[in-house]
Amino acid sequence: GENVEQHPSTLSVQEGDSAVIKCTYSDSASNYFPWYKQELGKRPQLIIDIRSNVGEKKDQRIAVTLNKTAKHFSLHITETQPEDSAVYFCAASVSSTNKLIFGTGTLLAVQP
Amino acid sequence: KAGVTQTPRYLIKTRGQQVTLSCSPISGHRSVSWYQQTPGQGLQFLFEYFSETQRNKGNFPGRFSGRQFSNSRSEMNVSTLELGDSALYLCASSSRGEGYGYTFGSGTRLTVV
Repeated sequence: GENVEQHPSTLSVQEGDSAVIKCTYSDSASNYFPWYKQELGKRPQLIIDIRSNVGEKKDQRIAVTLNKTAKHFSLHITETQPEDSAVYFCAASVSSTNKLIFGTGTLLAVQP
Repeated sequence: KAGVTQTPRYLIKTRGQQVTLSCSPISGHRSVSWYQQTPGQGLQFLFEYFSETQRNKGNFPGRFSGRQFSNSRSEMNVSTLELGDSALYLCASSSRGEGYGYTFGSGTRLTVV
């Protein structure tokens, strides 16, 4: 069935370092890959997304890369700040189904 | 522009009861999806509505149902509540109905005792 694996489950970095979170999806028909940030007690917020016709997308300190052949996609955060501390979720969907399959989340802790 | 509004924010119910949760999407958004979030299972898709029609359903028992009204507001109902139904229920809306750019509400925290 549809599945998204996400690693690592926890990640601790020093302020200013980079952080990388990786996801693998199983459904080769998936064509939309969003990333959500969820702070404690708050709603998930879309931070960046990528469609399957693009290999990389960047928005300031955040970038996402997609390898369709390997069915991998990754989130890269550069120059991390304490306010980046949160749980990050990757997701994959076949856009026509309107159904997001989420990874299990990565707790990112940025140490000042 | 107001965001996705979910009511109530918190609910405590007893096993066997039923509950109805409400979601008002962003104005102009016609697609509403519901997700269950638990520490053990993460975020799991319940169902999605577009223009009052359920287009997709996740792997949840028939006790979980929903509907969407002509103004795009959506309700989710859970009957015969079980302890395992305790979770944060999130709804998300999208304008295009193509699975892109969903915006989540703050959720309803349901506790079943």
